Amino acid sequence: DQQVKQNSPSLSVQEGRISILNCDYTNSMFDYFLWYKKYPAEGPTFLISISSIKDKNEDGRFTVFLNKSAKHLSLHIVPSQPGDSAVYFCAARGAGGTSYGKLTFGQGTILTVHP
Amino acid sequence: GAGVSQSPSNKVTEKGKDVELRCDPISGHTALYWYRQSLGQGLEFLIYFQGNSAPDKSGLPSDRFSAERTGGSVSTLTIQRTQQEDSAVYLCASRPGGSYNEQFFGPGTRLTVL
Repeated sequence: DQQVKQNSPSLSVQEGRISILNCDYTNSMFDYFLWYKKYPAEGPTFLISISSIKDKNEDGRFTVFLNKSAKHLSLHIVPSQPGDSAVYFCAARGAGGTSYGKLTFGQGTILTVHP
Repeated sequence: GAGVSQSPSNKVTEKGKDVELRCDPISGHTALYWYRQSLGQGLEFLIYFQGNSAPDKSGLPSDRFSAERTGGSVSTLTIQRTQQEDSAVYLCASRPGGSYNEQFFGPGTRLTVL
């Protein structure tokens, strides 16, 4: 049962344009969402996060939007740069109980930004 | 400062053998996690250590998998009687105190079971 889904395995974007990566979740108990970026042969690195009490968080070229009613979040990168090419993972954190602090990850989306 | 380190970076073993994977978290981080990423899959949670509390082992796929964390620092993930389906990248992450802090990942150990 995949509680966090990234339905697009890959995305190709031209340099300078906007990249939009999507993520859907099914568990309404998730209270915090994160995006991680992963280069080959490296561990994932934290990119940006959002609490469930907010609907938008912005950090430079990166903005995360959360639509709680739709159980959907998205990561916008604008303008996209070739160095942004990586695998992007959406993750959600459970609230309370034994799941507290544990992250549930999506399958990842491979972003390729062409010069 | 130093990040999360894992060893070995690559491990090739024969089916049926036991393997141990090591994780050195960032000093002072109270929480430690193990995940694995199989080919074409997302990161799958395995086990979570938080301070002196009993670990959350809910993600371990079978009783062949176990992990311990000694002295609140270094952790070892042990897989007994390895199977080919255990082949994956095993990632360790640590987190400082405070529930909203992101997890910091190590580079992973690529395990190949022949």
